[in-house]
Amino acid sequence: EPEVTQTPSHQVTQMGQEVILRCVPISNHLYFYWYRQILGQKVEFLVSFYNNEISEKSEIFDDQFSVERPDGSNFTLKIRSTKLEDSAMYFCASIQGQAMNTEAFFGQGTRLTVV
Amino acid sequence: AQKVTQAQTEISVVEKEDVTLDCVYETRDTTYYLFWYKQPPSGELVFLIRRNSFDEQNEISGRYSWNFQKSTSSFNFTITASQVVDSAVYFCALSDSFQHNNNDMRFGAGTRLTVKP
Repeated sequence: EPEVTQTPSHQVTQMGQEVILRCVPISNHLYFYWYRQILGQKVEFLVSFYNNEISEKSEIFDDQFSVERPDGSNFTLKIRSTKLEDSAMYFCASIQGQAMNTEAFFGQGTRLTVV
Repeated sequence: AQKVTQAQTEISVVEKEDVTLDCVYETRDTTYYLFWYKQPPSGELVFLIRRNSFDEQNEISGRYSWNFQKSTSSFNFTITASQVVDSAVYFCALSDSFQHNNNDMRFGAGTRLTVKP
């Protein structure tokens, strides 16, 4: 069964460092998302990406964040200068089509710890 | 603006009890989708169900059932004869960006279900 793959599963970084979280969505999917879940809290939408550009972003997704799909398979989330409060589980998701009547497939998540 | 409320933060039941997890949503759109996801202790998000706004038929899948009531904007989830393996955080989510084709979901705060043996 196709799945969304995220690497690494756990990343520890020092405050102020840049991190790149990687995702490989399911190959024929067209819409890609990043969500964040601070430990013990709700899953929060960060950004959606379609046709090689951001289609929507939340208020969390400030200038420190960026996304790109550099090679047609990977979908990356970059945090330029990490802060302690960026520590969270980051989930990548993808959807096949345009309509909402399709399931979002989530990756296993990357746990980011900023120290 | 879309909003999902899961008023129950934590629920604890004894195995074999039935349990209902509540979800109330707000949206201005007439076309929207509702979802339930399970997050076990291992952390991944497991898709359980998707329901569109035009289909109010209740659904049953094994021990799981869902009650969608547009009149009260609720999409409640019932587990019958709960088992220890049902222990997890359950998230209700709403997607209503039909006009913008963004399809992003907004999640409720989650309900942590603990099933004791």
